[in-house]
Amino acid sequence: EVQLLESGGGLVQPGGSLRLSCVASGITFSTHAMSWVRQAPGKGLEWVSAIGGSGVNTFYADSVKGRFTISRDNSKNTVYLQMNGLRPEDTAVYYCAILQIPLDYWGQGTLVTVSS
Amino acid sequence: DIQVTQSPSTLSASVGDRVTITCRASQTISTWLAWYQQKPGKAPNLLIYKASDLQSGVPSRFSGSGSGTEFTLTISSLQPDDSATYYCQQYNSYPKTFGQGTKVEIK
Repeated sequence: EVQLLESGGGLVQPGGSLRLSCVASGITFSTHAMSWVRQAPGKGLEWVSAIGGSGVNTFYADSVKGRFTISRDNSKNTVYLQMNGLRPEDTAVYYCAILQIPLDYWGQGTLVTVSS
Repeated sequence: DIQVTQSPSTLSASVGDRVTITCRASQTISTWLAWYQQKPGKAPNLLIYKASDLQSGVPSRFSGSGSGTEFTLTISSLQPDDSATYYCQQYNSYPKTFGQGTKVEIK
């Protein structure tokens, strides 16, 4: 059974930083691109970032480009999202996901709240 | 970047009704479009991929059609369990944008 487990969410002040982690199990991790998708309270889904299986290729939404960095450690089956310069509009549940459709797995999400 | 516009934003229908949701892409994406269902407090669940292929385990009352820039999700006979928010997503290219969502309510 494939499982994705996010951690690292919490309350942070505007301008602050946070690093999210997502540990995967039940899959050959290095063969899968990994994505982060977020959902602000009461709002829709927003694709945030993705990284290829080798870690070489990375992609970002314009809304986070230059502030967020995605990376992975295939020896630990873990993908990270380093979030710097956080803004109140970054407040959301952040989902880790494998979106190699039709292969489709999601974590339970971790809440990030940006507020003073 | 490819923009994805979904309509309507909400719809209310009765059990047994046929329901259609539309998704338009700002440029052609062939059939690289997926449909998701999301219930409150849960992660999204993939229903349809490649515009019209039914994901394993998804009831056959769900169907998808379209290609290029115009796509539809149809629920042939709405059931109480279908009360949820539905999203389309293009995966032709990065960023893999989602539509704004359609909330389906049961009358």
